[in-house]
Amino acid sequence: EAGVTQFPSHSVIEKGQTVTLRCDPISGHDNLYWYRRVMGKEIKFLLHFVKESKQDESGMPNNRFLAERTGGTYSTLKVQPAELEDSGVYFCASSQTNSPLHFGNGTRLTVT
Amino acid sequence: AQSVTQLDSQVPVFEEAPVELRCNYSSSVSVYLFWYVQYPNQGLQLLLKYLSGSTLVKSINGFEAEFNKSQTSFHLRKPSVHISDTAEYFCAVTGGFKTIFGAGTRLFVKA
Repeated sequence: EAGVTQFPSHSVIEKGQTVTLRCDPISGHDNLYWYRRVMGKEIKFLLHFVKESKQDESGMPNNRFLAERTGGTYSTLKVQPAELEDSGVYFCASSQTNSPLHFGNGTRLTVT
Repeated sequence: AQSVTQLDSQVPVFEEAPVELRCNYSSSVSVYLFWYVQYPNQGLQLLLKYLSGSTLVKSINGFEAEFNKSQTSFHLRKPSVHISDTAEYFCAVTGGFKTIFGAGTRLFVKA
């Protein structure tokens, strides 16, 4: 089976620009998560979808971040406008109910 | 709310030596416990998990971890490491729907 796929693998943008990250979960996984790791610190939870609904978005830093999951399949995470502190690695993960997370390789975002 | 503390940010060790990566957690609800590993230039992979039953769990590549409820710990051990074990290791706790990660421990295995 195909794993979790994230696109792009790297993105370099200027402060004030917009970036959209995409995640394709494993087929059949209802749960989709976004996490972020900044500068070697812990992997921080951003939000959790169950199918197309946001179950928990308590980790979203502010309203410059918008996540969607169209039709309960792939998900996008948009940052608009990007700030320097948004730089980091954004991980997506998917899972079945009460099962371990399967991670993508991450998108490394650099805001200059 | 849950939290995870990995006590060592970096652990250098010689090949064939034993290693222990420490993890402590706190939670007000029952939890599942995991260790994930990230090899250079790759995503996170599940190494092993504790869901219920035996408190000692093992991976296919020789790692093991023991759930200690009284000490709220889930330390990862391997009796003899290989160069290929060089990676970053993350302890994680799932309570309810949310999985919380520790800051990671970088394991450097030297020849």
